[in-house]
Amino acid sequence: LAKTTQPISMDSYEGQEVNITCSHNNIATNDYITWYQQFPSQGPRFIIQGYKTKVTNEVASLFIPADRKSSTLSLPRVSLSDTAVYYCLVGGFYNQGGKLIFGQGTELSVKP
Amino acid sequence: NAGVTQTPKFQVLKTGQSMTLQCAQDMNHEYMSWYRQDPGMGLRLIHYSVGAGITDQGEVPNGYNVSRSTTEDFPLRLLSAAPSQTSVYFCASSRIDPPEAFFGQGTRLTVV
Repeated sequence: LAKTTQPISMDSYEGQEVNITCSHNNIATNDYITWYQQFPSQGPRFIIQGYKTKVTNEVASLFIPADRKSSTLSLPRVSLSDTAVYYCLVGGFYNQGGKLIFGQGTELSVKP
Repeated sequence: NAGVTQTPKFQVLKTGQSMTLQCAQDMNHEYMSWYRQDPGMGLRLIHYSVGAGITDQGEVPNGYNVSRSTTEDFPLRLLSAAPSQTSVYFCASSRIDPPEAFFGQGTRLTVV
């Protein structure tokens, strides 16, 4: 299983862009990179996923360099409601035998 | 449009009691998982299943049993509750390709 490393916590202010980088040096060829968001007292929810280059949706952007050994989740113009824990996961079910392992995640705190 | 349904939402047990946490999904996913989340921590995988009749241990399986008799249901059994099992438990149902997990709202369990 590809191990991921991301910052434990980050602080930001409303209206700023936030970039959270995840390192995954031993990513496999067919691994996806997936980010989840978890609010207090709720289960995580999927926010974005990519395989290579850049992916953008209504919530975030995901930047993946050519070597795929890291990825950056970008949240544009954050608000207080973006305060949450963000998890970076690498892999796919087939090459992980069905396991989906979450790390510690990055606790993002957005201040007014 | 139920998704993943967990019951109960809250439970208090006495040490030594047993109970079953229920999880049901209506998305016809083969993959289902159980996680526990202690305060300030990430999610830890307890058990998972890759289809009816097939289960396997995750990172922290001791003290828990699972079975998967149908695609829809994946109950988690606490055999003899201990205070160390006080936690929030999340069930997830997962699409395989591309990989995406859908989580229930969680069960907050307190063992006294």
